[in-house]
Amino acid sequence: DAKTTQPPSMDCAEGRAANLPCNHSTISGNEYVYWYRQIHSQGPQYIIHGLKNNETNEMASLIITEDRKSSTLILPHATLRDTAVYYCIVRDNTGGFKTIFGAGTRLFVKA
Amino acid sequence: KAGVTQTPRYLIKTRGQQVTLSCSPISGHRSVSWYQQTPGQGLQFLFEYFSETQRNKGNFPGRFSGRQFSNSRSEMNVSTLELGDSALYLCASSPVGTGELFFGEGSRLTVL
Repeated sequence: DAKTTQPPSMDCAEGRAANLPCNHSTISGNEYVYWYRQIHSQGPQYIIHGLKNNETNEMASLIITEDRKSSTLILPHATLRDTAVYYCIVRDNTGGFKTIFGAGTRLFVKA
Repeated sequence: KAGVTQTPRYLIKTRGQQVTLSCSPISGHRSVSWYQQTPGQGLQFLFEYFSETQRNKGNFPGRFSGRQFSNSRSEMNVSTLELGDSALYLCASSPVGTGELFFGEGSRLTVL
């Protein structure tokens, strides 16, 4: 079973910030939070990841709560091209891994 | 740097046949993992290989198998195909020391 839960869908107006939540209440201390997105059956694309600190890159920001039980992916200025399914997963980076994807959040960015 | 390459991109098979899919990881990546994606089940983990060894396996029947070669290229095989095996099969590679996955565009298998 997936270790994360996400809302099935969200809407966002173009140009506004999109805030996508993820719950991972059973995360263990050595597991990272990763975000990926998938646009219309292309291969998923890496967005960002973090352990406990907030992270920012050219695509997005990741806010992780202090207890690490939830996180939020922020797309600061959503465009129509950001319409996709967004997956939040937790993974241990050491040794072998078994990546379990949940159903993700389908984000619709509207003009 | 070239991305993850999967071949073939599309293929059609009939029930009972077998299929082999190929994945060439990004140069320098030694971990390769495979996923099955269907509308009903979403993205499901099949198996992961590192340095020619299978490190993890998902909950799939023994008809699904894979291997990795010394150059990190990987293949997966599905024998005795069933209609339910119709799916997009995705391969991802990872560099050592990070869990970042780089996905290929997938191989879309249709079983008739």
